[in-house]
Amino acid sequence: DTEVTQTPKHLVMGMTNKKSLKCEQHMGHRAMYWYKQKAKKPPELMFVYSYEKLSINESVPSRFSPECPNSSLLNLHLHALQPEDSALYLCASSPPGRRNTGELFFGEGSRLTVL
Amino acid sequence: SQQGEEDPQALSIQEGENATMNCSYKTSINNLQWYRQNSGRGLVHLILIRSNEREKHSGRLRVTLDTSKKSSSLLITASRAADTASYFCATDRAYKLIFGTGTLLAVQP
Repeated sequence: DTEVTQTPKHLVMGMTNKKSLKCEQHMGHRAMYWYKQKAKKPPELMFVYSYEKLSINESVPSRFSPECPNSSLLNLHLHALQPEDSALYLCASSPPGRRNTGELFFGEGSRLTVL
Repeated sequence: SQQGEEDPQALSIQEGENATMNCSYKTSINNLQWYRQNSGRGLVHLILIRSNEREKHSGRLRVTLDTSKKSSSLLITASRAADTASYFCATDRAYKLIFGTGTLLAVQP
């Protein structure tokens, strides 16, 4: 099993809604990542979890709240988002011991539209 | 912030031709990676080259790295329509993987 699974694939939400994006991997990876990608732009790092602890937060607004309940799951809780937050949200994982800079395994992404 | 910039921004070639895209970066690195992204999909890792390596091959892919010039190139030989995608280089900075601006490759059948 070499997959990173993200749900939902598509999400439309209003600015007052609370929703969550989910990511799951069963490859035994101990680092997990959230990236945000706007159209025609490269992915931008948001958060890194290493061994279930938040190790990097790239000054992301508090309306994005990550959570890593266990080594296989990564959530991104969304609240009071703005239309400019509409983007493709990508989850990735990497094997232990790579210090966050080895090969990343990506999910297919969750496309978020904020109305 | 982006660590790397790629050129060209877009490249259109015919099937069977070779495609070359370049990546320049700003700071010293441990390794450089290349990823492919089909439209609106996730990224797929293609190849990793370490800072002490100069060239690496994987199937139809050839990657070079020149650390003195802080640049890398990705060559795709005998391109196919299925190679149509965006290609990103990625470098490590402060234990983070940062992606370059990307090259959009279109291979015409």
